[in-house]
Amino acid sequence: QKEVEQDPGPLSVPEGAIVSLNCTYSNSAFQYFMWYRQYSRKGPELLMYTYSSGNKEDGRFTAQVDKSSKYISLFIRDSQPSDSATYLCAMSGYNSGAGSYQLTFGKGTKLSVIP
Amino acid sequence: NAGVTQTPKFQVLKTGQSMTLQCAQDMNHNSMYWYRQDPGMGLRLIYYSASEGTTDKGEVPNGYNVSRLNKREFSLRLESAAPSQTSVYFCASRSTSGALWAQYFGPGTRLTVL
Repeated sequence: QKEVEQDPGPLSVPEGAIVSLNCTYSNSAFQYFMWYRQYSRKGPELLMYTYSSGNKEDGRFTAQVDKSSKYISLFIRDSQPSDSATYLCAMSGYNSGAGSYQLTFGKGTKLSVIP
Repeated sequence: NAGVTQTPKFQVLKTGQSMTLQCAQDMNHNSMYWYRQDPGMGLRLIYYSASEGTTDKGEVPNGYNVSRLNKREFSLRLESAAPSQTSVYFCASRSTSGALWAQYFGPGTRLTVL
């Protein structure tokens, strides 16, 4: 079982739709959860981050973490064509063997928002 | 404040040639990372440097070497390039305040090995 599972899509939605992106994970040591957005031929940019279970809202974006189910989600309200990108989930916990925090990424979901 | 910068943006090499990818950050971050991104494989960690003067292997280190030149700069070297190293390479650095576990990425280097 992979540590982080993410449906690669592609996901195509009409402008204005609510988008739901999800990841599941297996490692209970993960404590920190992030979503990155990657536009075509660009580097990933940090979109949202959270530490605890529950919801965190930033404008049209809501990140949700359910540690008991090992499941995280990103919701995009009133989606726009400019939201078209690949969204990567990422999770971090302290790696005692490495002596540092490291990120484990999902493979990304490609989203297209159609005008 | 440029964040994380990478040079070059594009490179084409022939099998067996060598090159160094450069990375610099101006955010005073201690930790820096090199990843490669391939279709269907996601981001894979090549090497990382938890702090100035230290480097460690990641998931896919074979064929690469790194140098943490100072706190700002972290370079990745391909000594004898192979077609399997055709990829997009990203450098990242980790925050030392706020989201302590988040990494910030550069724009990437697209490398093709013929």
